[in-house]
Amino acid sequence: EDQVTQSPEALRLQEGESSSLNCSYTVSGLRGLFWYRQDPGKGPEFLFTLYSAGEEKEKERLKATLTKKESFLHITAPKPEDSATYLCAVLGAGGTSYGKLTFGQGTILTVHP
Amino acid sequence: KAGVTQTPRYLIKTRGQQVTLSCSPISGHRSVSWYQQTPGQGLQFLFEYFSETQRNKGNFPGRFSGRQFSNSRSEMNVSTLELGDSALYLCASSQGGLSGNTIYFGEGSWLTVV
Repeated sequence: EDQVTQSPEALRLQEGESSSLNCSYTVSGLRGLFWYRQDPGKGPEFLFTLYSAGEEKEKERLKATLTKKESFLHITAPKPEDSATYLCAVLGAGGTSYGKLTFGQGTILTVHP
Repeated sequence: KAGVTQTPRYLIKTRGQQVTLSCSPISGHRSVSWYQQTPGQGLQFLFEYFSETQRNKGNFPGRFSGRQFSNSRSEMNVSTLELGDSALYLCASSQGGLSGNTIYFGEGSWLTVV
């Protein structure tokens, strides 16, 4: 069964203080690792999809990287508006995984001005 | 380009009643999946439909069911509601191919069972 573990559960940063969020996963054939941002009361907002080890993607202050066992979401010089819950999910290739995202519990990021 | 649209956004039901939630995927997307989100369990997969066929199902009781129409719109139904069914129900859509598909979520339907 596919599994995703995110750490830390919560992270408090000062504005401008860079850091990283971790997502460890086990999956039977990775068809994609997804990062989403979720604000309170809203649905997850798509950020990145990574498909193979060594792949990196960037968007504004965010950069996602992927290895065979984990993914990192690096946040450079964060701003208060980056405060949200960041969710990691995997899409496996096994028969029972088809079409199914397995999510981690998320990291709650708070950025103080 | 319109995103994933879910209706209703908020609803309150009584134990024992049933509820139907609706999802309109992004135009051109043929795969629709449903998730339940609660503070304790996080996001859990309910089921996925592609071209009107259920391709995968999560570990939920038979009270949870869904369907997809020929225009890719989808509905999910929960019968005999229990207090524990109170949650945010999220719909996601994608093109549905084997790889390289981005999966987008709607804003969700907040269900409260009293």
